[in-house]
Amino acid sequence: GAVVSQHPSWVICKSGTSVKIECRSLDFQATTMFWYRQFPKQSLMLMATSNEGSKATYEQGVEKDKFLINHASLTLSTLTVTSAHPEDSSFYICSARDISGPYEQYFGPGTRLTVT
Amino acid sequence: GQQLNQSPQSMFIQEGEDVSMNCTSSSIFNTWLWYKQDPGEGPVLLIALYKAGELTSNGRLTAQFGITRKDSFLNISASIPSDVGIYFCAGQLTGNQFYFGTGTSLTVIP
Repeated sequence: GAVVSQHPSWVICKSGTSVKIECRSLDFQATTMFWYRQFPKQSLMLMATSNEGSKATYEQGVEKDKFLINHASLTLSTLTVTSAHPEDSSFYICSARDISGPYEQYFGPGTRLTVT
Repeated sequence: GQQLNQSPQSMFIQEGEDVSMNCTSSSIFNTWLWYKQDPGEGPVLLIALYKAGELTSNGRLTAQFGITRKDSFLNISASIPSDVGIYFCAGQLTGNQFYFGTGTSLTVIP
């Protein structure tokens, strides 16, 4: 149980284009999902907290107009990197909290984004 | 945001040895969690701790929630090659506020 999927697992895009990453909780419902960014050999950096049916809460320094988050259902949140630049290249990981459980976060397998 | 300090930063051990790593913070947390991350994958939850002083085991793994609520440790007994990876602690402050540690990279030498 508690499986979170991400799609795509990796993507290469050209500078200036937009990329959408999906995060799904497969066997549980999640009112809250989280989006993280991770650089090589570093810890996870929280970008935003996504709440079903409402606007996402962004961490300080994260541009909400560049990283668009939509949490349209209890099992799906999407992150769209708009007008991507090479410095946006990173490993993006989502996590979800089970609506019926305590406080654990279950992580997706991550999406490797490379902007050329 | 807040960051939790993990030590050691990296460890190289022989297969069969026991491992100990810890996580400290200047803030009090209500929940401590330990995750393992393999290269190119998302973190996997190992152990969750909910009360100060709590000691919880999961197979060869044992973790404790510090009495002061500002620290936690993770022990791995009789390490095996598949224990290789990066271990992260995470502290939960309020419902949606999670903070991750800096990570401990573990290498097990067969």
